[in-house]
Amino acid sequence: DTEVTQTPKHLVMGMTNKKSLKCEQHMGHRAMYWYKQKAKKPPELMFVYSYEKLSINESVPSRFSPECPNSSLLNLHLHALQPEDSALYLCASSRGQGGVGGGPDTQYFGPGTRLTVL
Amino acid sequence: QKEVEQDPGPLSVPEGAIVSLNCTYSNSAFQYFMWYRQYSRKGPELLMYTYSSGNKEDGRFTAQVDKSSKYISLFIRDSQPSDSATYLCAMSRAGGGNKLTFGTGTQLKVEL
Repeated sequence: DTEVTQTPKHLVMGMTNKKSLKCEQHMGHRAMYWYKQKAKKPPELMFVYSYEKLSINESVPSRFSPECPNSSLLNLHLHALQPEDSALYLCASSRGQGGVGGGPDTQYFGPGTRLTVL
Repeated sequence: QKEVEQDPGPLSVPEGAIVSLNCTYSNSAFQYFMWYRQYSRKGPELLMYTYSSGNKEDGRFTAQVDKSSKYISLFIRDSQPSDSATYLCAMSRAGGGNKLTFGTGTQLKVEL
């Protein structure tokens, strides 16, 4: 199983709503990531969890709150978002250590959640 | 200057053509080089990675790295309409906490 799954596929929310995005992987990976991607732009890193601990927060506003309940699950809690937060939110996972033979710790992406904030 | 430069395209080619996609970078600390393919409204899919200068081949795809010139390429042979997508190069440093630096992506369209 080399799949990262994300739910929901689409989400429309108002600026006063609270919602959560979910990500799951069963590859035994120990690093998980949240990215934000705007149209025709590359993914922008938001958060990295390594061995279930938050290791990187790229100065993301507090209206985005990540959570890693266990090594297979990653959540992104959303509250009081702004219309400019509308984007494709991508989850990725990786082994959490260098690859075989010194290769990179390659990241595998999920299909994303397309978020629209009204 | 961006750390990674990539021509956004769009690049339009006829079916069967050889496609060349390129990225340049400025940070000599980058050691790992990846190519992702992203179809419209989908997540990026890892195509290939390399971590040394030279060529790496996988089916119709060849990744090439020239560290001395800070230049990487992805060649697609016998291009198919199903190859129409955005191709993102990505790079990371050894010991860099696995942070990827992406190019802007090149939009490719392979026409019948």
